[in-house]
Amino acid sequence: ETGVTQSPTHLIKTRGQQVTLRCSSQSGHNTVSWYQQALGQGPQFIFQYYREEENGRGNFPPRFSGLQFPNYSSELNVNALELDDSALYLCASSLAQGGGHQETQYFGPGTRLLVL
Amino acid sequence: AQSVTQLGSHVSVSEGALVLLRCNYSSSVPPYLFWYVQYPNQGLQLLLKYTSAATLVKGINGFEAEFKKSETSFHLTKPSAHMSDAAEYFCAVSETGRRALTFGSGTRLQVQP
Repeated sequence: ETGVTQSPTHLIKTRGQQVTLRCSSQSGHNTVSWYQQALGQGPQFIFQYYREEENGRGNFPPRFSGLQFPNYSSELNVNALELDDSALYLCASSLAQGGGHQETQYFGPGTRLLVL
Repeated sequence: AQSVTQLGSHVSVSEGALVLLRCNYSSSVPPYLFWYVQYPNQGLQLLLKYTSAATLVKGINGFEAEFKKSETSFHLTKPSAHMSDAAEYFCAVSETGRRALTFGSGTRLQVQP
């Protein structure tokens, strides 16, 4: 069984640029969630994708967008990068089973983004 | 709205001593509760989760947590700390029908030899 993988591991960008981060979900999982973890803080929910559609969004501006592909992998895109976007970006996959059951989210190792 | 408060950003214990990491939550409906551990430069690893089946939850690496509704708490304990337990620990809450996890700010556990 393959766990959650993310690429790249590290990335350096300058203010105003655009970035794409990638995530491959754990085998058998159909849902991907993205979190931003600033230094010294807990992760903050960005959004979740289920069956290729956004299924919930946190308090992040529209320049944070995403995609989910038929194989359940996902991308996080951030446009017009700001210094405050520097953080560890975590992807988590889970298996949505319906009925309001809270599935467990399994996290990848993260992508560390530095915006200069 | 759901929220999590972790009391104590840093906790230091001696090897072999009891570990107690505190977590209090706020939720308008019965919550689901989780503890995750994060080692340096790594992602989050699930330690244990509470989903209303039993109030005392046992997890990996000898950790356990007890759900106390009257105190809105879900404290993490381990009877005897090991050097390898040194890490950042996060408590998280979610609610039925909501997919997002809301995390606390974390507690850094130091284990002294």
